[in-house]
Amino acid sequence: AQTVTQSQPEMSVQEAETVTLSCTYDTSESDYYLFWYKQPPSRQMILVIRQEAYKQQNATENRFSVNFQKAAKSFSLKISDSQLGDAAMYFCALQGGSEKLVFGKGTKLTVNP
Amino acid sequence: DTGVSQDPRHKITKRGQNVTFRCDPISEHNRLYWYRQTLGQGPEFLTYFQNEAQLEKSRLLSDRFSAERPKGSFSTLEIQRTEQGDSAMYLCASSSPAGGYEQYFGPGTRLTVT
Repeated sequence: AQTVTQSQPEMSVQEAETVTLSCTYDTSESDYYLFWYKQPPSRQMILVIRQEAYKQQNATENRFSVNFQKAAKSFSLKISDSQLGDAAMYFCALQGGSEKLVFGKGTKLTVNP
Repeated sequence: DTGVSQDPRHKITKRGQNVTFRCDPISEHNRLYWYRQTLGQGPEFLTYFQNEAQLEKSRLLSDRFSAERPKGSFSTLEIQRTEQGDSAMYLCASSSPAGGYEQYFGPGTRLTVT
């Protein structure tokens, strides 16, 4: 069975500061993908960033970057220069051996002005 | 590209009634997925289609749940004899080979069973 664990139910950050959201996962697949999705309040889920397990280089999308530690099965998301619009639920997700995404329980991020 | 759409956005029904939800994927996306999200949890996979073929179903999808995608475009999810435990947000997503099969989500249908 594949599992995704997000150990931080809630996090807060000051506007313009940096925050890191944690995620660990477990899978027996050798080929898999990891994702971070953002779900703003009452709005639809959107993809933030994606990482292929076979790539050693950490993915980056503008202010969002990941720290992918394959041996430790860790996949954290760093948000730099946090903005008020970054406030949302953030879900870590795993896809491997199947088309389905397996999600963690999410981390609620609050951005303080 | 208008995005994934779902209808209705909200549905309130009484226990024991049948409900049907519709999902329209992004145009030309050949894969369509259904997930269920309860309060405080991440989405859980229910089923997915490639074109009109239903290729995978979760054990969460009991006999009361049925999904179809008859022409490989829109999909419907029907829940028969609803129970209070069915109250959740039902999310639809779609993907295509051109997009690396990244899943794009719709706004969801929130079901409340009273």
